Amino acid sequence: DAGITQSPRHKVTETGTPVTLRCHQTENHRYMYWYRQDPGHGLRLIHYSYGVKDTDKGEVSDGYSVSRSKTEDFLLTLESATSSQTSVYFCAISDWGGGQTQYFGPGTRLTVL
Amino acid sequence: SQQGEEDPQALSIQEGENATMNCSYKTSINNLQWYRQNSGRGLVHLILIRSNEREKHSGRLRVTLDTSKKSSSLLITASRAADTASYFCATEGIQGAQKLVFGQGTRLTINP
Repeated sequence: DAGITQSPRHKVTETGTPVTLRCHQTENHRYMYWYRQDPGHGLRLIHYSYGVKDTDKGEVSDGYSVSRSKTEDFLLTLESATSSQTSVYFCAISDWGGGQTQYFGPGTRLTVL
Repeated sequence: SQQGEEDPQALSIQEGENATMNCSYKTSINNLQWYRQNSGRGLVHLILIRSNEREKHSGRLRVTLDTSKKSSSLLITASRAADTASYFCATEGIQGAQKLVFGQGTRLTINP
């Protein structure tokens, strides 16, 4: 987890409310990723970024948006949270992208009631 | 769509025994990686094997890759209680460089 922090670590919110999760890195890595982890599904990629203001969709991007205005911060926003977005969210970083290790943050447990 | 399928989903062995986990995938890959996740924590990278490699070792870990069968195995020798965790394979496809697709994981329990 060194060099990557996620905030908040736990959040409970209600259906229909907006939620923003933050990933902050001190490693100056180019690539940043948001995953969700659910029982029976492993980790699934939501969005990723390959540089400041450069982002792309992953496997399960519907209902999520992201922004990266600085190298060190990658924000994940749920515009209107739904119960199906209850999950554990992990941020990861990687230096060169292809063929490289990803380093994961500690995760954010989000519950949407 | 899930690229990697892991087998078994759960494995329970005695301390000191060897543990073998398998991963199968569907499309051509650049590399395959194995990660470990302790309960309530983020994933930690264990080992990466490239598509032109057949076997790789790291300490008590041995990974094999058979691209003709689209499968990989992770062997942990002389298991310890601290090896109790979930283990995930992840593939980087040729089309989707910089992105990993994870399997559902194998839950390994080492009994003292």
